[in-house]
Amino acid sequence: AAGVIQSPRHLIKEKRETATLKCYPIPRHDTVYWYQQGPGQDPQFLISFYEKMQSDKGSIPDRFSAQQFSDYHSELNMSSLELGDSALYFCASSTDADEQYFGPGTRLTVT
Amino acid sequence: QKEVEQDPGPLSVPEGAIVSLNCTYSNSAFQYFMWYRQYSRKGPELLMYTYSSGNKEDGRFTAQVDKSSKYISLFIRDSQPSDSATYLCAMSSKYSGGGADGLTFGKGTHLIIQP
Repeated sequence: AAGVIQSPRHLIKEKRETATLKCYPIPRHDTVYWYQQGPGQDPQFLISFYEKMQSDKGSIPDRFSAQQFSDYHSELNMSSLELGDSALYFCASSTDADEQYFGPGTRLTVT
Repeated sequence: QKEVEQDPGPLSVPEGAIVSLNCTYSNSAFQYFMWYRQYSRKGPELLMYTYSSGNKEDGRFTAQVDKSSKYISLFIRDSQPSDSATYLCAMSSKYSGGGADGLTFGKGTHLIIQP
């Protein structure tokens, strides 16, 4: 079965640079969620989109923004990167069933 | 105090044992309860999904929800070394249709199944 696709899988950036993470949901899933997982931590919800509109907002820094496109893929844009932004970033997708399926994640390292 | 409390372990049991994992929560608005399994540096894998109180069984896994006590459990029967992973409970309060609610996770329990 098709799963959530995330790219890139690994990303190394320097402080104050910008990064763009991409997420391709499971086919026919209309909702996308972004989570951040620091080392040894549980995933923290950042933001979600339903039918291309922002639906729920969690602990997303003002330096981050996201959107969902007409083909339902989503991008998380991160600016003025800080060392503390180094983490695994997961995208999840769902339909009305509310079961969220996670992608493999993007490992971001900020140096 | 975190909204969702989960003992981080590690929890070490012999192969074949019944494993019991649990979480408590404080937000009475939570209605949807999930268990995820996460291997090191991988994405969380959905194991069980339940709505409101009750039991749900799927193969070797049984999920229980007791909303009156704000307590959820996951039981693993006939545990295998391949079950060794971190198990995360997660919950949300809103239905996805027309509104997508982010999940609130527990810290995760590190489970080790000894061969």
